[in-house]
Amino acid sequence: DAKTTQPPSMDCAEGRAANLPCNHSTISGNEYVYWYRQIHSQGPQYIIHGLKNNETNEMASLIITEDRKSSTLILPHATLRDTAVYYCIAQTLGNYGQNFVFGPGTRLSVLP
Amino acid sequence: SQTIHQWPATLVQPVGSPLSLECTVEGTSNPNLYWYRQAAGRGLQLLFYSVGIGQISSEVPQNLSASRPQDRQFILSSKKLLLSDSGFYLCAWSPRAYNEQFFGPGTRLTVL
Repeated sequence: DAKTTQPPSMDCAEGRAANLPCNHSTISGNEYVYWYRQIHSQGPQYIIHGLKNNETNEMASLIITEDRKSSTLILPHATLRDTAVYYCIAQTLGNYGQNFVFGPGTRLSVLP
Repeated sequence: SQTIHQWPATLVQPVGSPLSLECTVEGTSNPNLYWYRQAAGRGLQLLFYSVGIGQISSEVPQNLSASRPQDRQFILSSKKLLLSDSGFYLCAWSPRAYNEQFFGPGTRLTVL
């Protein structure tokens, strides 16, 4: 199972882009990169996922390097409500279903 | 639309007492279901997952067990709680394998 490495914490000014990096150097060819976030005392919220190509949705953009060994989640205009712990996950393919391994994540603080 | 419910929201139990946490999903059929635990300041740990009624897979050996008596009902149990069982318990569902997961609001369990 591919492990991911993220910085423990980051700060971002409100209204600026937040760029959250993730290393997954042992990711295998059929594993996706998923991003979730967890606001304090709530359940995690799905943000975005991708395999090879860059992805964009209403919440964020995901940039995956060509060698797939790292990725960056981009929140284009961070707001105070984006303050949360962000989890980067390499999909683990179990016998059944999809079994995520959540690491400690990156604690993003959006500052006014 | 689909919704996921967990109860109770908070629970304080003495060491050695039994536990039963319930999770139900509405608006979908035959979901994959998951139980996670998050210790204070830590990432999420997958405990159990289920791809159908009566089908439970355990990821971490411990004194907890899970059951799926109905298609959209997932129960986490223990016969005797330990202090180390304290944490934030999250239930999640996904529409099928290899897809994003959606999390419930969680149950905060304190074992004294």
